[in-house]
Amino acid sequence: GEDVEQSLFLSVREGDSSVINCTYTDSSSTYLYWYKQEPGAGLQLLTYIFSNMDMKQDQRLTVLLNKKDKHLSLRIADTQTGDSAIYFCAESRYNFNKFYFGSGTKLNVKP
Amino acid sequence: GAGVSQSPRYKVTKRGQDVALRCDPISGHVSLYWYRQALGQGPEFLTYFNYEAQQDKSGLPNDRFSAERPEGSISTLTIQRTEQRDSAMYRCASSDHALASSSYEQYFGPGTRLTVT
Repeated sequence: GEDVEQSLFLSVREGDSSVINCTYTDSSSTYLYWYKQEPGAGLQLLTYIFSNMDMKQDQRLTVLLNKKDKHLSLRIADTQTGDSAIYFCAESRYNFNKFYFGSGTKLNVKP
Repeated sequence: GAGVSQSPRYKVTKRGQDVALRCDPISGHVSLYWYRQALGQGPEFLTYFNYEAQQDKSGLPNDRFSAERPEGSISTLTIQRTEQRDSAMYRCASSDHALASSSYEQYFGPGTRLTVT
């Protein structure tokens, strides 16, 4: 939705790092999420970060949150061809139940 | 089951017909959500339930859309008098919202692709 914005495409070479960016507008955001969508599959939760954190690392994934600028990023280290998918940023607000999604960033990993 | 399931996976219907989309959440999950995802867009919230109670239906586009979850488990999203603009992927998600859950993660099903001709 228009409250959450992402760039549409990212292309990287296998083995490089990928950085997918997201901006959001609502300062009451509580949790921010990254979901991965592969063709024909549902959305798979990759990771999330609470709004009072700056960074979270989970194996090859690093999430950075700049709450002042309302900017969220997902870094994928050593990107593999299996990481090719659409990545959605999402936020939940004070009531936790309504998720607001960006339009998704299509990551293409070239061998 | 192991995850959220939805049926049918694909539905083609003629304009003016009613359709019913089914969601079977993860067993024991308290909350159930419906989203609509247009091509090239992220999911857009429609409605959600805690147990059998519909807590928020602010995302339903108009009164042709309704949802129910009568026994607090399976849910049905019904679209009456379908129109071509209703064509989209309809996704269901569930969440346990247990006290131990600190992130309110939503687990998504594979979706139902609805095409109105």
